[in-house]
Amino acid sequence: DAGITQSPRHKVTETGTPVTLRCHQTENHRYMYWYRQDPGHGLRLIHYSYGVKDTDKGEVSDGYSVSRSKTEDFLLTLESATSSQTSVYFCAISDGQGNQPQHFGDGTRLSIL
Amino acid sequence: GESVGLHLPTLSVQEGDNSIINCAYSNSASDYFIWYKQESGKGPQFIIDIRSNMDKRQGQRVTVLLNKTVKHLSLQIAATQPGDSAVYFCADRLPGNQFYFGTGTSLTVIP
Repeated sequence: DAGITQSPRHKVTETGTPVTLRCHQTENHRYMYWYRQDPGHGLRLIHYSYGVKDTDKGEVSDGYSVSRSKTEDFLLTLESATSSQTSVYFCAISDGQGNQPQHFGDGTRLSIL
Repeated sequence: GESVGLHLPTLSVQEGDNSIINCAYSNSASDYFIWYKQESGKGPQFIIDIRSNMDKRQGQRVTVLLNKTVKHLSLQIAATQPGDSAVYFCADRLPGNQFYFGTGTSLTVIP
């Protein structure tokens, strides 16, 4: 299994509070991604990173920010959580070399009340 | 935007039968395709991939077929087992190493 650890695995919080999710990898891969997964939707890209301090927006980036200060860590922050951000969040990594799939963590289930 | 969809949201098969899961994609620039398996409470797990210059690739009990003419991808699972019960979804890649994912088909294997 790819060395990807997401923390926390579950979190319940209240509307308006800040939330930070962490993704840690031990594969030294260049690319890291944050997705959300909701019923009726495929995985949707929030933000991704193509190197330390290099990030870009995905299709559902509003309300989210990211940071990558080290190769191994990619943080996703909800500055002021809303109920529409209740979801399961997945981190993925890839080395970006040739045809290589993304590998995923086991997700963080986030509930915003 | 990109759209990758699956034809059937659910599929039930008898243990030992073959399963076929289908996927359609919309962007002709997609150059690489992946099938994932996702079990409850877990992250997607890579099953098999195929490049756009191929039309078939086989793995252990799985085969992926790619028809670029109609932008269709399928996953065939031979001799389906109870452990194959999961959600399966496809993904395609556009230039820039961005992937787009289908909504998934839930496969149930009946013992």
